[in-house]
Amino acid sequence: DVKVTQSSRYLVKRTGEKVFLECVQDMDHENMFWYRQDPGLGLRLIYFSYDVKMKEKGDIPEGYSVSREKKERFSLILESASTNQTSMYLCASSLPQEQSHEQYFGPGTRLTVT
Amino acid sequence: AQTVTQSQPEMSVQEAETVTLSCTYDTSESDYYLFWYKQPPSRQMILVIRQEAYKQQNATENRFSVNFQKAAKSFSLKISDSQLGDAAMYFCAYRSVLLTGTASKLTFGTGTRLQVTL
Repeated sequence: DVKVTQSSRYLVKRTGEKVFLECVQDMDHENMFWYRQDPGLGLRLIYFSYDVKMKEKGDIPEGYSVSREKKERFSLILESASTNQTSMYLCASSLPQEQSHEQYFGPGTRLTVT
Repeated sequence: AQTVTQSQPEMSVQEAETVTLSCTYDTSESDYYLFWYKQPPSRQMILVIRQEAYKQQNATENRFSVNFQKAAKSFSLKISDSQLGDAAMYFCAYRSVLLTGTASKLTFGTGTRLQVTL
């Protein structure tokens, strides 16, 4: 079974703090994704990585950065958290594009910025 | 850019009955993938069913089936013999077959919350 884990289910941070959200997958997938989920907006892509140290911006990258130093781990970084980044964050992974008929999701991190 | 629209924010169905969730999409591509994902209260997104646009036959997975109308750009999900465990948020999603970068992302609709009643 593919397993995608995220470091926290719930997180509360203060405005201005640097926040790290960690995601680990155990299936040797090349592709990893960070999505943000908001009511009425569905899921929107923040960043995508297709290999170690390789990344591309998604639809809403402003205020976020990512790090992928190892194939199995993909981190989302909020350099200076703001209240409008209060949201649910979902990590996903998949095989390379030509094989990736499915994305596998982690359980999500609900982040509250106060 | 592709868009996915789910016009039903909430639906309700009685146990053992059948319900259909609607999804429409917009794309200029001729080949693509469409998905239905389920997100129960546990928040774990689970793939329910997948359809490849080049296949005319509608996909089926046990009690779940789709009605794929390519010309109308419509992709509805039918759940037969509904069970309490089917209660969840359902998302329709689109993925390009292009192999470049963020083209492999999923474009999601806004979701339909399905309630199952006794």
